[in-house]
This record gives sequence, structure tokens and C-alpha cells, in this order.
Amino acid sequence: GPKVLQIPSHQIIDMGQMVTLNCDPVSNHLYFYWYKQILGQQMEFLVNFYNGKVMEKSKLFKDQFSVERPDGSYFTLKIQPTALEDSAVYFCASSLGTTSAETLYFGSGTRLTVL
Amino acid sequence: QQKVQQSPESLSVPEGGMASLNCTSSDRNFQYFWWYRQHSGEGPKALMSIFSDGDKKEGRFTAHLNKASLHVSLHIRDSQPSDSALYFCAASPTNTGKLTFGDGTVLTVKP
Repeated sequence: GPKVLQIPSHQIIDMGQMVTLNCDPVSNHLYFYWYKQILGQQMEFLVNFYNGKVMEKSKLFKDQFSVERPDGSYFTLKIQPTALEDSAVYFCASSLGTTSAETLYFGSGTRLTVL
Repeated sequence: QQKVQQSPESLSVPEGGMASLNCTSSDRNFQYFWWYRQHSGEGPKALMSIFSDGDKKEGRFTAHLNKASLHVSLHIRDSQPSDSALYFCAASPTNTGKLTFGDGTVLTVKP
């Protein structure tokens, strides 16, 4: 089936540093998402993105967070500066459309550890 | 209060048995429900969606939705060891791809 690739699978950084998480979505998909999952907790919506713009974001999407997809390349989540509470697994997803009937395809996640 | 709640937290069934997972929403805006399955080290993968009252069957998997009570269930018949995974219920309001996930149910199918 369709694959969403996330790079890297693990990232360890010091608090205050910048980190960029990369996502290669399904090739013909138009809508992109980031979700955050803290160990032992539910997966939570961060943001969705379409046509170069953030469509909707949750309260978890702090000012230190930003997303972009320059020139159809990777869809990225940048955190600058990082904080200890940013440690989590971040899942990227993509879909062809944005109605509730559309299937979201998820990557395997990037485990971010902030020291 | 969490908007999507799942039960049980964990479930163990013998190979060939029936597994039943439950999900309830507390938000009447949620009209679209999904079941996702996540194997260890992988991302969640959509199993099936259900948007109308009643049953929806896909192979060994049957979902049931009761919109009045906002309750959705997933039944897996003839469970296989490969069905062992974390199962998420997810819900969304009309016309948005934004999903709210439950905490998940860990299913173990013992050979």
C-alpha cells in the first residue's frame, strides 16, 4: 500500500537546539499532518497543511513549531528552540483529500528525545 | 474529559477466537469513526471506517456504529497471532481530516 517515510527514525538533541523532522508523503497526496504521541498517552493532532498553508492547528502546536513543504520536497516539522516536553514520537500522515472519508496514511514515526 | 474512550485497555484471546473492542465518544460533533491498527515499531494503519449506523464487514473484521449512543465497536473473528497489535479508535467531525484518537486497546492473540 501507499507509504509515508519519516527521517530520521530517532533523534536525540539537547534542550534549546533546533530540530527538523522530515516526512516524505505519498506521492499524489495533497494534505499533510503531524501528530504527537507521548509514551503511554494517546496520539494527538498537531497541525494539518495544504497548498503551502497551515489549515488548522491544535493548542499543542506551540509558537516554536513550524511546518513547510518547499517545492514539493519533504514535509517538515521544525522545533526551535526545543524543550524537554517536546520529547515524544512524532507521526507524519498524508491524505488525498481532507474530508472525513479520506484515509490518512501514517509513517513509522520519529522518536525525538530532548535532553 | 477525553473525547474518545476505548475499552478494554488490553485484551487476550486464543487463536481462532473472537476479539471485541469498544469505543465511545463524548462529543456529538464526531460523526465519522475509524479503526487503526499499530504494530510495534510502525505507524498506525487504517483498518476500516464506519460512518452510518449499523454493521460494516470487511473480511474477518466487523465494525458496528450506534450514532445515538456514539458507540462504535470492532469485532475480529478467527483471530490470528498477526492480529496482535495496538488498536486505536479515531473520530472526526464532518468535513475534516483531523482525527481525535483514543488511548488504544492492546490485543494479544495467543497461539
